[in-house]
Amino acid sequence: EAAVTQSPRNKVAVTGGKVTLSCNQTNNHNNMYWYRQDTGHGLRLIHYSYGAGSTEKGDIPDGYKASRPSQENFSLILELATPSQTSVYFCASGDASQGISNERLFFGHGTKLSVL
Amino acid sequence: GDKVKQSPSALSLQEGTNSALRCNFSIAATTVQWFLQNPRGSLINLFYLVPGTKENGRLKSTFNSKESYSTLHIRDAQLEDSGTYFCAAEAGMLSGSFNKLTFGAGTRLAVCP
Repeated sequence: EAAVTQSPRNKVAVTGGKVTLSCNQTNNHNNMYWYRQDTGHGLRLIHYSYGAGSTEKGDIPDGYKASRPSQENFSLILELATPSQTSVYFCASGDASQGISNERLFFGHGTKLSVL
Repeated sequence: GDKVKQSPSALSLQEGTNSALRCNFSIAATTVQWFLQNPRGSLINLFYLVPGTKENGRLKSTFNSKESYSTLHIRDAQLEDSGTYFCAAEAGMLSGSFNKLTFGAGTRLAVCP
């Protein structure tokens, strides 16, 4: 089973502060993703990456940056956190063994972020 | 409108009974994945489907791309099946491009003794 580890598990931040959420995967997956989960919206894609050095905008990238310094690590950065970014954030990695457009996703346990 | 619409939004089942969850797509879905978010919040990948049917224990899932829907059947429901079930669809087959998953809003399932 694919292993995706997120840290921290819980975070309380102040409005205007900088927040970095980290994700590590040990399965050599090329693709990694950051989603947020809010009631009534399911999961929405913020940023994703094809591999080290690559970051791409998802469906709701405003207010977020991403960094993929290595195959294993993918970070989500909130430079100026706002209360509207209070959410649960999930990182995922993709097993693209069947081709880049057919991949099974494996998720981390999530990070609960509260911005006060 | 919703590109991936799940129904029902919530469901309560007696232990040992059967039920079906459904996803309807307004996008040209080419693959579908089903996830269970357990009460601890973890998202578990249940199925990855191209058009057709897969079965795993008490779970069976079908993806009909022509009629744009997928179903997840739960047989002999157990307490540990409780949680929120999400379907997610991938649309299109763009060569060399990334195809994003679009998630439904989920079905909250409670299995009662």
